[in-house]
Amino acid sequence: SQQGEEDPQALSIQEGENATMNCSYKTSINNLQWYRQNSGRGLVHLILIRSNEREKHSGRLRVTLDTSKKSSSLLITASRAADTASYFCATESKTSYDKVIFGPGTSLSVIP
Amino acid sequence: EAGVAQSPRYKIIEKRQSVAFWCNPISGHATLYWYQQILGQGPKLLIQFQNNGVVDDSQLPKDRFSAERLKGVDSTLKIQPAKLEDSAVYLCASSLRLGAYNEQFFGPGTRLTVL
Repeated sequence: SQQGEEDPQALSIQEGENATMNCSYKTSINNLQWYRQNSGRGLVHLILIRSNEREKHSGRLRVTLDTSKKSSSLLITASRAADTASYFCATESKTSYDKVIFGPGTSLSVIP
Repeated sequence: EAGVAQSPRYKIIEKRQSVAFWCNPISGHATLYWYQQILGQGPKLLIQFQNNGVVDDSQLPKDRFSAERLKGVDSTLKIQPAKLEDSAVYLCASSLRLGAYNEQFFGPGTRLTVL
């Protein structure tokens, strides 16, 4: 079974709005990563947050991690049409060193 | 810096045929991964190499799938014989090393269609 589960499965917003995606997981983790996948392409690493971190920023991206609730969120501010993609959270569990398990993803559409 | 290279990009075969995919990781990356991504799902790890040794192949269907990484660089993934449910994108990724901070770099993938 997959470790991470993203919510919502699909999200459609207007350009300039903020997009928030959530990820829930089941077991204790070492870190959680977010990846983006454009249609027909490979995945691109966006950001990694360690289990002892609560918030991290990278450009227009903001990631939070709540280990007590076993959940993370990815916020994309001031979205652009180019942000249209699928977004996946991936967790590395404490019990499976270096093994990263991906969730099913959130499909984001940003309408110009 | 060159990225992860994969070939072919697309492959169409009939069921029961054999197929092989090739991956060239980023130079110096010791860890190499093969993932299967079925349409609408997240990538599923098939096998993970550290140099030329297998770290994890627990989700590799070993009755039909095989993979090797000779000399700890390039890798090939083979399916023999293929089934309809093997239709998917096969992604190769590499990372510098094992460890908690482990950004993976992905290739463009090979889209396999089994008819």
